[in-house]
Amino acid sequence: DAGITQSPRHKVTETGTPVTLRCHQTENHRYMYWYRQDPGHGLRLIHYSYGVKDTDKGEVSDGYSVSRSKTEDFLLTLESATSSQTSVYFCAISDSAGGNEQFFGPGTRLTVL
Amino acid sequence: AQSVTQPDIHITVSEGASLELRCNYSYGATPYLFWYVQSPGQGLQLLLKYFSGDTLVQGIKGFEAEFKRSQSSFNLRKPSVHWSDAAEYFCAVGASTGNQFYFGTGTSLTVIP
Repeated sequence: DAGITQSPRHKVTETGTPVTLRCHQTENHRYMYWYRQDPGHGLRLIHYSYGVKDTDKGEVSDGYSVSRSKTEDFLLTLESATSSQTSVYFCAISDSAGGNEQFFGPGTRLTVL
Repeated sequence: AQSVTQPDIHITVSEGASLELRCNYSYGATPYLFWYVQSPGQGLQLLLKYFSGDTLVQGIKGFEAEFKRSQSSFNLRKPSVHWSDAAEYFCAVGASTGNQFYFGTGTSLTVIP
């Protein structure tokens, strides 16, 4: 299995509070992705990174920001969490662009009350 | 724009029966196609992928998929389903250029004894 960890694995927070999710990889892959998974929507891309300090928006980026200061870590921040951001968040990594497979972390279940 | 459609939200099959999960994609050029499986509470695991060449691809756990360009389809098959195959299955499409994957909304598989 690809070396991908996510922390925390579960989190409950209140509306309006900031939240940061961490994705850590040991594979030295260039590309990292954040998805959210919601019933009826499958996985939707939030943001992705194609290198240190290089990031771009995905399909559902509003309300989220990311940072990547080193190859192994990709952080997802909800500046002011809302109930609509209650979801399961997955990190993925890939060693090349969209044509290559992505490897997924175990996920973080976030509940915003 | 790229998109993926999985027409079946939920499928129930008997153990030992054959299985076919449908996937249709929209993409202007030859796509890179993937099937992932997600067991409850877990991340996504790659079952198989199609990049080019032979249109029938073999994957793990006895799964196979056939790429049919004329029908824009990439259906997943298994000749004899086991109870452990009960899971959520996702089809995804990526491009040879660009950085994004697009996932279908998933098909939930129930296996009855």
